[in-house]
Amino acid sequence: DQQVKQNSPSLSVQEGRISILNCDYTNSMFDYFLWYKKYPAEGPTFLISISSIKDKNEDGRFTVFLNKSAKHLSLHIVPSQPGDSAVYFCAASTNAGGTSYGKLTFGQGTILTVHP
Amino acid sequence: GAVVSQHPSWVICKSGTSVKIECRSLDFQATTMFWYRQFPKQSLMLMATSNEGSKATYEQGVEKDKFLINHASLTLSTLTVTSAHPEDSSFYICSATRTSRNTQYFGPGTRLTVL
Repeated sequence: DQQVKQNSPSLSVQEGRISILNCDYTNSMFDYFLWYKKYPAEGPTFLISISSIKDKNEDGRFTVFLNKSAKHLSLHIVPSQPGDSAVYFCAASTNAGGTSYGKLTFGQGTILTVHP
Repeated sequence: GAVVSQHPSWVICKSGTSVKIECRSLDFQATTMFWYRQFPKQSLMLMATSNEGSKATYEQGVEKDKFLINHASLTLSTLTVTSAHPEDSSFYICSATRTSRNTQYFGPGTRLTVL
């Protein structure tokens, strides 16, 4: 059961344009969402997060939007740069106690390629 | 801040041997550390959750006797792959959290190849 889904395996964008990466989730208990960037053979790098009490969070070129009713979040990168080319993972966390506490559930990842 | 290191970055071993991987939080105290493995072109799969001073909590399907986790201090957790076999070859990544539970900071990963 894939609770966090990134349906687009890849995305290609021209430098300077907007990149929009999408993520859907099914578990209504998720209350915290994160985006990570990952290069091959490296660990993920934290980019930006959002709590379920908000619908938008912005940090420089990165903005994350959350639509709780649709169980959908997206990451916008503006303007896109060639150095942004990487795999982007969305992840979700629940405030449920016990063994679920603090655990992240990851999507499958989207490969972003930004062309010069 | 929030730097996590892993050692070694890659290791090759013979089938049947044991391999230890270290995960350290360099500039913060990690209340919880997590261990993941990633197969090629797949997402990260959580193996276990490790809290300092207590036993690790393993995900369903992960053999606790094969993947031994020790969290001896607030800055160090180790994963030992015992009696490694070729199917254990993978990319192992750890992460650590501060008192804020939600944001995990990841190490650079360890590539394990079992011959």
